[in-house]
Amino acid sequence: EAGVTQFPSHSVIEKGQTVTLRCDPISGHDNLYWYRRVMGKEIKFLLHFVKESKQDESGMPNNRFLAERTGGTYSTLKVQPAELEDSGVYFCASSQGQGKGWEQFFGPGTRLTVL
Amino acid sequence: GDSVTQMEGPVTLSEEAFLTINCTYTATGYPSLFWYVQYPGEGLQLLLKATKADDKGSNKGFEATYRKETTSFHLEKGSVQVSDSAVYFCALNTGNQFYFGTGTSLTVIP
Repeated sequence: EAGVTQFPSHSVIEKGQTVTLRCDPISGHDNLYWYRRVMGKEIKFLLHFVKESKQDESGMPNNRFLAERTGGTYSTLKVQPAELEDSGVYFCASSQGQGKGWEQFFGPGTRLTVL
Repeated sequence: GDSVTQMEGPVTLSEEAFLTINCTYTATGYPSLFWYVQYPGEGLQLLLKATKADDKGSNKGFEATYRKETTSFHLEKGSVQVSDSAVYFCALNTGNQFYFGTGTSLTVIP
């Protein structure tokens, strides 16, 4: 069974440009999450989808970030325009169920560098 | 708010040494506690978990016990191997969202 996949694995862009990250969850997982790890710091929650609906987007840093999950399958996270502080590793995760006992399966991450 | 504090790295050990990575947490309610591991070039993988006080999670020789009285979930392994070199993240979940620590990088040398 394929795990969570993310594309691209690395992205280097200039400040002011736009970048779109993609996540394909494990098939059948309704719950999809985005996280971000800024250099050397903790991994922080960005948002949570249940199917195509945003369940919780309390971690989104500002309105330059837009996440979508059309059709409830893959998700995209767009940063427009990108700023220097957006650099970091963006992780996607998916799970079958919600709640504190459910394991979230993580993708390998997308390393974003904004110059 | 909910948070996790884990031991700063990096940690370098010789093969067969004993490993402890400290993790303490702050949470409202009764969280589940997790250790995730990230090997070079890969995503985070669940290493072990515990869902209630006094539970012990174990996997691949690693263990951690959910201690409510000390709000801790320290990771231990009796004899590390070179293949254990990775970044280890302690995390908690009180509902739908995970809270992670900063990660501890472990390097095991032969």
